Amino acid sequence: EIVMTQSPATLSVSPGERATLSCRASQSFSSTLAWYQQKPGQAPRLLIYGASTRATGIPARFSGSESGTEFTLTINSLQSEDFAVYYCQQYNNWPFTFGPGTKVDFK
Amino acid sequence: QVQLQESGPGLVKPSQTLSLTCTVSGGSIRSSSYYWSWIRQSAGKGLEWIGLIYSSGTTNYNPSLKSRVTLSVDTSKNQFSLKLSSLTAADTAVYYCARTRWGRNSSWYHYFDYWGQGTLVTVSS
Repeated sequence: EIVMTQSPATLSVSPGERATLSCRASQSFSSTLAWYQQKPGQAPRLLIYGASTRATGIPARFSGSESGTEFTLTINSLQSEDFAVYYCQQYNNWPFTFGPGTKVDFK
Repeated sequence: QVQLQESGPGLVKPSQTLSLTCTVSGGSIRSSSYYWSWIRQSAGKGLEWIGLIYSSGTTNYNPSLKSRVTLSVDTSKNQFSLKLSSLTAADTAVYYCARTRWGRNSSWYHYFDYWGQGTLVTVSS
């Protein structure tokens, strides 16, 4: 099973700033990663798939990238509605696994 | 716009079997582009993929739960279902159903593009 780790656990950011979230995998793979956003009381929402492709309706301030076993989600010019928990998920191997999440909160 | 809605009991006793159903609206469960998954979320284990099913009935389960899980599909009702047996308190979680986009470009892909709102299941006597 591929173990996903995320850092930091909590990221404190001011509105308008950039947030950079990291996700690492215990095994190397390319592109087979998704990012989700979850707000309190809601289901996760797909943001990014294929490591860097935005899902339908996702604003351009969200971007994904990869370098080796590290994947990055960048949120440019953070908006108030972006404060949430973000999860990465690998679909390179069965079973699919999620990271523990990064909470983005108000600085 | 596709929508998914979970239904089932919110409280189940230890050792019993949990049965949940996901009703899909706004799209056909027979679509060849999608599998249909169950995912749960607990404070202790975070998000955990349980398994998925295709409209044909083909399944794939998380090995950690495989001995206790059965997924089924009813295409006539546009529904798919989860049964989880031998419940313990560790199975207490919010259970989500999710549409799973799949295919292959340079590699296989499976990601969850639409989710139900989730249903809290508590295992307690």
